[in-house]
Parts: sequence; C-alpha cells; structure tokens
Amino acid sequence: NAGVMQNPRHLVRRRGQEARLRCSPMKGHSHVYWYRQLPEEGLKFMVYLQKENIIDESGMPKERFSAEFPKEGPSILRIQQVVRGDSAAYFCASSPRANVLTFGAGSRLTVL
Amino acid sequence: QQQVKQSPQSLIVQKGGISIINCAYENTAFDYFPWYQQFPGKGPALLIAIRPDVSEKKEGRFTISFNKSAKQFSLHIMDSQPGDSATYFCAASKDQGAQKLVFGQGTRLTINP
Repeated sequence: NAGVMQNPRHLVRRRGQEARLRCSPMKGHSHVYWYRQLPEEGLKFMVYLQKENIIDESGMPKERFSAEFPKEGPSILRIQQVVRGDSAAYFCASSPRANVLTFGAGSRLTVL
Repeated sequence: QQQVKQSPQSLIVQKGGISIINCAYENTAFDYFPWYQQFPGKGPALLIAIRPDVSEKKEGRFTISFNKSAKQFSLHIMDSQPGDSATYFCAASKDQGAQKLVFGQGTRLTINP
C-alpha cells in the first residue's frame, strides 16, 4: 500500500494564477480530508469529502477555494487567483471510515 | 471554544530524559484526543490516542495522561532518544470520529545526544 499520495510536492505560482493540488487516498479509503498548515502553526481543517460528496466544508474560505472527490480519480483542491497568504503546506488525509486519519506528505504552495 | 492550546512551543531534552508536552481544551464535547508526530518535510503521523473514559494510555515509551475535570492532556516520552526529535501536535475532535481534528500549535522537540 503506497499510502496517501499527494502531488505536486512543491508548487510555485504567481499571484492571480490557479493552483491544483491532487490527493490519491490509500487503497480502500473512501473518506478524504484536506488540512492547511501555515508556517509555525498547527494544521487547520478545511474540508471533508467522500466519493462525489462534500460532507463538511466549514473550514474552507468562502471564495477562491473548492474541493472535489470524483467517482474516479484523485481528490482535487483548487485555489483560484492565488494570493501570497495562500502560501502554506496543504495536507490530505484519508480513512476507511470517519476515524483514524492517515496523512500524506503534503503539497507546499509558494505564491510569488 | 474550538481551540486546543499546546505548550511549550519548543523543548530541549537530554537523551534518556523524559519529554513532557501539555495541551488544554475548552470544548467539553471533544471525545477523541490523538497525538501526531511530524518530521521535517513529512506529513503528521498518528502516535497515540486516548478517549475520555480512561485517564492514561501507554504504548511503549509514549504515554498519554488525561485529566477530564481539568480539560487537559499530556504526552510523556520516556527515555527520550535523538530519533524522537520532531514536531508534536496534540489534537481533539468530537463524536468519536477524527474527521474534523482541531490541532494545537505544535511543540518542536529536540533530544540532545
């Protein structure tokens, strides 16, 4: 089992561009979560998805951010018109049920 | 009420010593308290977790102590080793699930050889 796979591991974007972060959950895991980690801070919950459904998006900024977990393929976290404040590490986690999370290695977004 | 406060921010311990990290929470609905270990450039990995029906849980050199009345819990690392040097996060969630963890700010632990 390859674990939770995230790509790209590092992404550089200029202000106003779009960032797409991908997450492939562990085999057999149907629950996906996205968390954001700002420098020197703990992780902050963003969104919880199951296949084709957003279960809880209470941590997502109201604008520019969206997430999906289609029937086929990885989960995608999309950030439109990035700003410098979006620079952070974005972690995806998965679980077979809504219990113990396994985190990926993260995608580090830098906005110039 | 959703916050989890963690201390200290950084900690230096000699090899073989005991490392102690503390967390406090406000939301009495929290019923799942995990600790995560994160190495540089890696994602957090679950270390040990406790539910409020027990006051202590031990796994190898790692122990969680839980004080429900004080709304505090702590991680003790016995016989600390240089390989334990990492950032440790406490977290909490409710409804006995881990889907919406509230994390503490993290403690950077350094074990000196």
